[in-house]
Amino acid sequence: NAGVTQTPKFQVLKTGQSMTLQCAQDMNHEYMSWYRQDPGMGLRLIHYSVGAGITDQGEVPNGYNVSRSTTEDFPLRLLSAAPSQTSVYFCASRQGGASGELFFGEGSRLTVL
Amino acid sequence: DAKTTQPTSMDCAEGRAANLPCNHSTISGNEYVYWYRQIHSQGPQYIIHGLKNNETNEMASLIITEDRKSSTLILPHATLRDTAVYYCIVRVQGYSGAGSYQLTFGKGTKLSVIP
Repeated sequence: NAGVTQTPKFQVLKTGQSMTLQCAQDMNHEYMSWYRQDPGMGLRLIHYSVGAGITDQGEVPNGYNVSRSTTEDFPLRLLSAAPSQTSVYFCASRQGGASGELFFGEGSRLTVL
Repeated sequence: DAKTTQPTSMDCAEGRAANLPCNHSTISGNEYVYWYRQIHSQGPQYIIHGLKNNETNEMASLIITEDRKSSTLILPHATLRDTAVYYCIVRVQGYSGAGSYQLTFGKGTKLSVIP
């Protein structure tokens, strides 16, 4: 199993551009989520999904959209990038039910100029 | 979810046990204690979790006080590869609501293992 795969690993955008960060998992996990991590801070939850067709907002959802059309994929869209969205983004997944173990991707480092 | 308090940083000599404390004085009876770590620039990695009994796995041991208001993660023989930020998280397990899947990460403890 590849686990949780994120692409791209690095991206530079100009203010106002749009892009999509891809996340795929091959563990048939029900739950998927996106976090952002800024220097000196912990991870903050952006959006999450508990199954295909179901998404909800986390702590810092503004400026980001998500969709979950399949169990495997959970893309994060930036419609109009802003410098405040410069960050490292992590995708994570876990099984449904009682287990709390999250599996994380390796991260996507985004710079908005 | 209950809030946790961890020291900002700690040092540990290589080969010695690393004991990382976490205070969670407002923890509820159905909240579990989870530990993750993040090695520089990588995604966080699950270590261990527990409810009230002490737990041990191949990576670490988790000691939870009898009143459950604090816990300690123990890395028995720290190596340089254990240098990382360690996060202590408490959350409800088994709740069916969508919000139960969230994990709230604080700033964690930066553990430096010294040669």
